[in-house]
Amino acid sequence: AQSVTQLDSQVPVFEEAPVELRCNYSSSVSVYLFWYVQYPNQGLQLLLKYLSGSTLVKGINGFEAEFNKSQTSFHLRKPSVHISDTAEYFCAVRFSGGGADGLTFGKGTHLIIQP
Amino acid sequence: NAGVMQNPRHLVRRRGQEARLRCSPMKGHSHVYWYRQLPEEGLKFMVYLQKENIIDESGMPKERFSAEFPKEGPSILRIQQVVRGDSAAYFCASSRTPDSNQPQHFGDGTRLSIL
Repeated sequence: AQSVTQLDSQVPVFEEAPVELRCNYSSSVSVYLFWYVQYPNQGLQLLLKYLSGSTLVKGINGFEAEFNKSQTSFHLRKPSVHISDTAEYFCAVRFSGGGADGLTFGKGTHLIIQP
Repeated sequence: NAGVMQNPRHLVRRRGQEARLRCSPMKGHSHVYWYRQLPEEGLKFMVYLQKENIIDESGMPKERFSAEFPKEGPSILRIQQVVRGDSAAYFCASSRTPDSNQPQHFGDGTRLSIL
């Protein structure tokens, strides 16, 4: 079984400052890693994913994430945030060996951009 | 809009009534996943269906909950004799193939409130 931990339930950041949202996972098997963003009263939108290859993956809206296998982490970063980045961010994993299961999500991190 | 369509967006039921939530996957997608999001929580996987088949229902409560994805029409998540604890946002996602590396595309959810 796999699990995902997002230690920070809220992260307040000033506009144009950099931000890092932390994600750690636990799994006894290989997994794929995803970050999703949820704006108020909407569904989840895929930001980026790590499947294999380069450990630094770039996504939409200027976000990027780095896969660190030794630390079992997949932290999300953005060098300069905008007010429109205010949203809930979810890290998720999925067992890479087959498709007969869903995503396992962390509890989410609420990113609050302060002007 | 060719995205995942869920309806209704909001649903209010009294205790003991039935709730029916509908999900039409993206065009060309035949794999549907249902998730539940409780307040202040991440999404929890409930069930994975292909056309006319339930593939994995390991996340479904054993009683009162059922899901179907008929040959024609949307996928339905049905909750019988609803209780207050069923109040949550229910999200549907779809993918083109069951492969674990395929991103799941989410609808905007149905917010179920139980009076």
